[in-house]
Amino acid sequence: QSALTQPPSASGSPGQSVTISCTGTSSDVGGYDYVSWYQQHPGKAPKLMIYEVSKRPSGVPDRFSGSKSDNTASLTVSGLQTEDEADYYCSSYAGSNTEVVFGGGTKLTVL
Amino acid sequence: EVQLVESGGGLVQPGGSLRLSCAASGFTFSSYWMHWVRQAPGKGLVWVSRIKNDGSGTKYADSVKGRFTISRDNAKNTLYLQMNSLRAEDTAVYYCARVRGYNGFDPWGQGTLVTVSS
Repeated sequence: QSALTQPPSASGSPGQSVTISCTGTSSDVGGYDYVSWYQQHPGKAPKLMIYEVSKRPSGVPDRFSGSKSDNTASLTVSGLQTEDEADYYCSSYAGSNTEVVFGGGTKLTVL
Repeated sequence: EVQLVESGGGLVQPGGSLRLSCAASGFTFSSYWMHWVRQAPGKGLVWVSRIKNDGSGTKYADSVKGRFTISRDNAKNTLYLQMNSLRAEDTAVYYCARVRGYNGFDPWGQGTLVTVSS
């Protein structure tokens, strides 16, 4: 069982927006502004999409955005494209003992 | 180009040992904290271990504490993961990753598969 809770699946049509949630506790998501989101296509390594809740690395389209409210972080993908179909994982800093926790992943389907 | 390349994976019997390597290039390796993350077949990502840029501080997931050791050689631009007393549940693709910001992992290596089976 993963430390952070994500819905197992999400879907949307091309051009639509979809939001994926990531729920933790005050010891991880709610306690620090250190939430990251990763995209993973089948057979590939994960790719950083968002870090520190809402920062986007260069090269990541601005269709991807992140936010956080209390113990829940969210990744929004606007203007869905077929290449956005992938697994998405959230992670959070969880203090000096546990260090890093991940969510169980969400499979995004672009219909 | 910033690049991480893992090696050292393979098939090992339960109770055996393996050392993974992660060769870094395209950036000043000695300036960055580094992590290992693993992914069992068909499963999600799980954090394994972290080491500070100068090797002075390490952290481990409870599931590997006392069995795995993370280390680095900044002169060789290489990160290591020594894995002892391996168990079937350690079977996974192991990724190394550089830290971006406080806790983002970017980039990731391509991964190396470790299979623990008799």
